[in-house]
Amino acid sequence: AQTVTQSQPEMSVQEAETVTLSCTYDTSESNYYLFWYKQPPSRQMILVIRQEAYKQQNATENRFSVNFQKAAKSFSLKISDSQLGDTAMYFCAFMNAGNMLTFGGGTRLMVKP
Amino acid sequence: DTAVSQTPKYLVTQMGNDKSIKCEQNLGHDTMYWYKQDSKKFLKIMFSYNNKELIINETVPNRFSPKSPDKAHLNLHINSLELGDSAVYFCASRPLGYTGELFFGEGSRLTVL
Repeated sequence: AQTVTQSQPEMSVQEAETVTLSCTYDTSESNYYLFWYKQPPSRQMILVIRQEAYKQQNATENRFSVNFQKAAKSFSLKISDSQLGDTAMYFCAFMNAGNMLTFGGGTRLMVKP
Repeated sequence: DTAVSQTPKYLVTQMGNDKSIKCEQNLGHDTMYWYKQDSKKFLKIMFSYNNKELIINETVPNRFSPKSPDKAHLNLHINSLELGDSAVYFCASRPLGYTGELFFGEGSRLTVL
């Protein structure tokens, strides 16, 4: 079974600064997909970024980028120029070939003005 | 138009009652899921259906019974509600064979008194 670990239960960052959220996972599969989801207080689950394991290039979406280290089974999320609207729970998630999405425990991010 | 819609959004009920949460997606997706988010924000898969057929059934009490009348709907019926069933329940969907993200509904907060 896959496991996803987010070792930072809570983090805070000043507005306009950069923050990195950590995620590690455990799997014996070679083909899989990794995601970061954002859950603001509205509780809607919003996809932030996606990474295919077979791609070496790190995914980037505007201010959000990942550092994908396949050998180390690490998938961190970097948020640049943090904005107040980035305040939310962030979940790292792993999808295997069987299409089951497994979530980490989440990191609560607070962006301070 | 809401892509994945759940009803009701909020539900407060007494222990021992039976309740249902409905989910509908208008995206034409073949695969639908139910996830449970507990009070600590941990998200865990409960069920997955492909074209009305049960694919994944995680360790969930048999008081929980999913019903898929057609591939656009996946309802969750819960019998004999217990205090520990209090949680937010998320419905999600994706196209069959698609290796991308799940599309989530807004969640249904169930409170058992």
